[in-house]
Amino acid sequence: DTEVTQTPKHLVMGMTNKKSLKCEQHMGHRAMYWYKQKAKKPPELMFVYSYEKLSINESVPSRFSPECPNSSLLNLHLHALQPEDSALYLCASSQALKWGQGSPGYTFGSGTRLTVV
Amino acid sequence: LAKTTQPISMDSYEGQEVNITCSHNNIATNDYITWYQQFPSQGPRFIIQGYKTKVTNEVASLFIPADRKSSTLSLPRVSLSDTAVYYCLVGDKYSGAGSYQLTFGKGTKLSVIP
Repeated sequence: DTEVTQTPKHLVMGMTNKKSLKCEQHMGHRAMYWYKQKAKKPPELMFVYSYEKLSINESVPSRFSPECPNSSLLNLHLHALQPEDSALYLCASSQALKWGQGSPGYTFGSGTRLTVV
Repeated sequence: LAKTTQPISMDSYEGQEVNITCSHNNIATNDYITWYQQFPSQGPRFIIQGYKTKVTNEVASLFIPADRKSSTLSLPRVSLSDTAVYYCLVGDKYSGAGSYQLTFGKGTKLSVIP
């Protein structure tokens, strides 16, 4: 299996709702990531997990809450979002390589298209 | 991280070879050069990666001159399905415990014309 699977593919939620995005990979990758991509813009990093521990939070508002229950799963819990949070949310994974071993290629999922109304 | 400069957009006819050049003047000694392809409403897809000289795979070639201050992604005989945004990334920031952060530039939107 060489894929990163994201569910759901589309999500519409109100500003008072609570929802979760799910990401799954079975490639044995120990680094997993959440990126956010607005229309016609490049992806921007939100969170980095390594060996199931959060290592980077790029100053993301607390209404976004990541969770890594095991080495294959990554969740993004959403609560009280704003319309400007509407975007494509991308999950990715990579091999965990030591610094200096080169650059690991990322595998991205197809994303969840989120619309906040 | 090294700043990259790519053309914002390019047009090409089907069947032609397309070369997209990326400038990265302040590339560091340890930096690899990586290209991703992204179709609308999909995640980026890893295409090719190199450190120096030339790398070729079943999808593309990557040419890197000796000074490594630029690189060229070459797509042979493009088809309509190659219409996408192509991102050049140079280096990636080590964020500890084996993980790396990617920083995407603006990318090049390639439009293939019938």
